[in-house]
Amino acid sequence: QKEVEQNSGPLSVPEGAIASLNCTYSDRVSQSFFWYRQYSGKSPELIMSIYSNGDKEDGRFTAQLNKASQYVSLLIRDSQPSDSATYLCALYNFNKFYFGSGTKLNVKP
Amino acid sequence: EAQVTQNPRYLITVTGKKLTVTCSQNMNHEYMSWYRQDPGLGLRQIYYSMNVEVTDKGDVPEGYKVSRKEKRNFPLILESPSPNQTSLYFCASSDSPWGEQYFGPGTRLTVT
Repeated sequence: QKEVEQNSGPLSVPEGAIASLNCTYSDRVSQSFFWYRQYSGKSPELIMSIYSNGDKEDGRFTAQLNKASQYVSLLIRDSQPSDSATYLCALYNFNKFYFGSGTKLNVKP
Repeated sequence: EAQVTQNPRYLITVTGKKLTVTCSQNMNHEYMSWYRQDPGLGLRQIYYSMNVEVTDKGDVPEGYKVSRKEKRNFPLILESPSPNQTSLYFCASSDSPWGEQYFGPGTRLTVT
């Protein structure tokens, strides 16, 4: 079983809608969680980090963490075509990082 | 400008010919990592380093070596590359293991 699971997509949403990206993980000990965005042909860049249960908001982005259910999600409000990218969920556990395979998001104008 | 650099950006080589991919960061970060990215498998950590002379295996270390003699540099060595090491490689650094990782531009390696 993979440490981090994501739906590969593509997830298509119209411009202005809310995009919801989900991620589940297998190790209950994991403490730190991250969402990275990767444009085609580019390197990943951090969007959000979240360490405790609940919601964390940063501009149009909200990360949600539920450790009991072992999932972390990313909501993108007012989605823009520039948000079209692959979103990678990652967790940090005992000095190592584990990434999901990513969800491709398409925001249609 | 704060950055992570990798060289070369593209490399085509043959099976068994030793190669080194360099990685350098100018942010005085302690934690550095190497990843490979393959379609459908996402990013997988190869090796990481907590500081100078402190390195450890990630998820997929077989066939790779690393060294950390200076804080800024973290080269990845393939002593006998094989076709299954054809991949896109990223180096990353962060000021702490659980902090934001800054990724280099990537090195696309093809082993024939």
